[in-house]
Formats: sequence, C-alpha cells, structure tokens
Amino acid sequence: SQQGEEDPQALSIQEGENATMNCSYKTSINNLQWYRQNSGRGLVHLILIRSNEREKHSGRLRVTLDTSKKSSSLLITASRAADTASYFCATVSSGSARQLTFGSGTQLTVLP
Amino acid sequence: GAVVSQHPSWVICKSGTSVKIECRSLDFQATTMFWYRQFPKKSLMLMATSNEGSKATYEQGVEKDKFLINHASLTLSTLTVTSAHPEDSSFYICSALEPTGGEKLFFGSGTQLSVL
Repeated sequence: SQQGEEDPQALSIQEGENATMNCSYKTSINNLQWYRQNSGRGLVHLILIRSNEREKHSGRLRVTLDTSKKSSSLLITASRAADTASYFCATVSSGSARQLTFGSGTQLTVLP
Repeated sequence: GAVVSQHPSWVICKSGTSVKIECRSLDFQATTMFWYRQFPKKSLMLMATSNEGSKATYEQGVEKDKFLINHASLTLSTLTVTSAHPEDSSFYICSALEPTGGEKLFFGSGTQLSVL
C-alpha cells in the first residue's frame, strides 16, 4: 500500500514563482526523501531529511518535516521551466531495512 | 554520483515470450538492489528486493515465478518477466544502494515493456 500521499497531484506555475508540494505518511519513519522523475526516466535523488530534523536546504530546494503531523513539504524557489517533472516523496520506515516506500507524486509544470 | 545502468530502455514483445531486464551498478558494488513497477502517472510500487548471492524477497502480491530476479554478482541484477502478457506492460525501474551513499537510492533509467 502507499505510504505517502502527495498534494497536489498536479501543479502548474509560471517561471520564477515558487512551487510547494506536500507529502503525508502513515508510519514512523527513519528518514524521508524527495525524488524527481522526468517523463519516462528513472528517479533522481534530491534531498534527504532525517526524523530528528525539521528543515533542510539544498540550493533552491527547501524541505520541512513535521513528524507530529506525519507530513513533509518541498519548496522549490524561483522555479525554471527545467524544473518541470514529477516529484515523489519516499519514506524509510523505522526498522525497514532501508526499504523506500514512495508517495503518489506531484506533477509540476513550470510555464516559460 | 553513483551510476546505475538499466537495459534495455524499451522492449516490445509478443505475448508468451520472456523478457530479461538488466540493472548494473557501474562504479560501485551493490549488495542490495530494488525492482519497482510504475504505471502511467502513478507512483512506484516495490516488487522485490534483490540481494547478492541469495534469493530475492518479493512483496505481497508479486508472483515470484512470473518475475524472476537474479543477483549473481555485486554489480548486476536481472529481472526476467516470464511468459509475458499484455497486463505485464509497464515501466520497470531498478535501483541500488551505494555503500557510502547513506540511505538514498540511485536509479536506473527504466525499461518500458510493451507486450502485444
């Protein structure tokens, strides 16, 4: 079953705007990761946040984690047309032997 | 970063034939690889965990006799879809854990399988 549910399912914004995607999960986690997938391609790791962390930055990416609400958000600032892709959150549950469970994904379209 | 190579990128086959997909870690040794299946505009569903030198661990609902996984070396895992049928048509993706990469996965580029 799906561990994570993402919101929104699809998001369309203008270049330069910020994009925010949310992810909710159900079980206790060791860490939460965000991945990006271009159409018909494999996934690329973006950022990992551990269960004892609340916020993390990497370039134009900002990730927050609220373990009390079992939710995370990914913010992409100053978006570019090249950011158009599907974004997935994935969780490593506590004691899961490093197995990732993926959310349903958000399709982001950045219009030039 | 670590590179995972997956071949072929796409394959079209007739119903009843078998198809083998290869997943190679090019610059690191991967004791554990994962195989996922993805339907259009959907998330990745874990099919099985492939462990070098031992039997794969399949997720509930995945037929191990249908989806044969072999992880014979530290750099190669293969997924064979046996007696493929149209309902097996899907996007299959492998991934691997790089020993020094922590918890993050490195993914192959995926294989689009179309069964006629």
